[in-house]
Amino acid sequence: DGGITQSPKYLFRKEGQNVTLSCEQNLNHDAMYWYRQDPGQGLRLIYYSQIVNDFQKGDIAEGYSVSREKKESFPLTVTSAQKNPTAFYLCASSRGRQPQHFGDGTRLSIL
Amino acid sequence: GQQLNQSPQSMFIQEGEDVSMNCTSSSIFNTWLWYKQDPGEGPVLLIALYKAGELTSNGRLTAQFGITRKDSFLNISASIPSDVGIYFCAGGNAGGTSYGKLTFGQGTILTVHP
Repeated sequence: DGGITQSPKYLFRKEGQNVTLSCEQNLNHDAMYWYRQDPGQGLRLIYYSQIVNDFQKGDIAEGYSVSREKKESFPLTVTSAQKNPTAFYLCASSRGRQPQHFGDGTRLSIL
Repeated sequence: GQQLNQSPQSMFIQEGEDVSMNCTSSSIFNTWLWYKQDPGEGPVLLIALYKAGELTSNGRLTAQFGITRKDSFLNISASIPSDVGIYFCAGGNAGGTSYGKLTFGQGTILTVHP
């Protein structure tokens, strides 16, 4: 089935560690996005990419990094510089002027 | 950045009641979207609005794109228990060949009592 796959579903990070969240889509969408969701808040944009090998910072990019080497994949690295990484992370993709569609998220917690 | 104010923050209703929620923005959008999120899952698109004044229905859901382009509302008629979840509005300005960035409201938590 076509869709957006995020893995893992749950992830634990030790202090000072970098962790990478995976996002893969087989929808042939050009654009991909990463959002962070905290309890009681809306989604905040971390990074987005409209084309392979290009990406832009969103509203809260500090402490995060991304790459877009393939159209299907847009991994997010939460670096040790991100001081409050505990959150629910959502990946989305879209094509042209169509709305964004979301994966089922990765919940990151600090040990 | 742009701000979206979504209200109410939460609603507790009886099954069968109608529900109304809205979003207002300090800036103009040319697209409004409404999503629903179940616990531990990603948001699912309910309705997309592309034109000021547009009124669109999807089953028991009806949404409107405000004339000023700075607001939108979502109505749910005859609520049922599976309507429980968090509802988000999102505004966007599609340009060029890309859909562009979305700005999300804080969400409305809906609880339906049987």
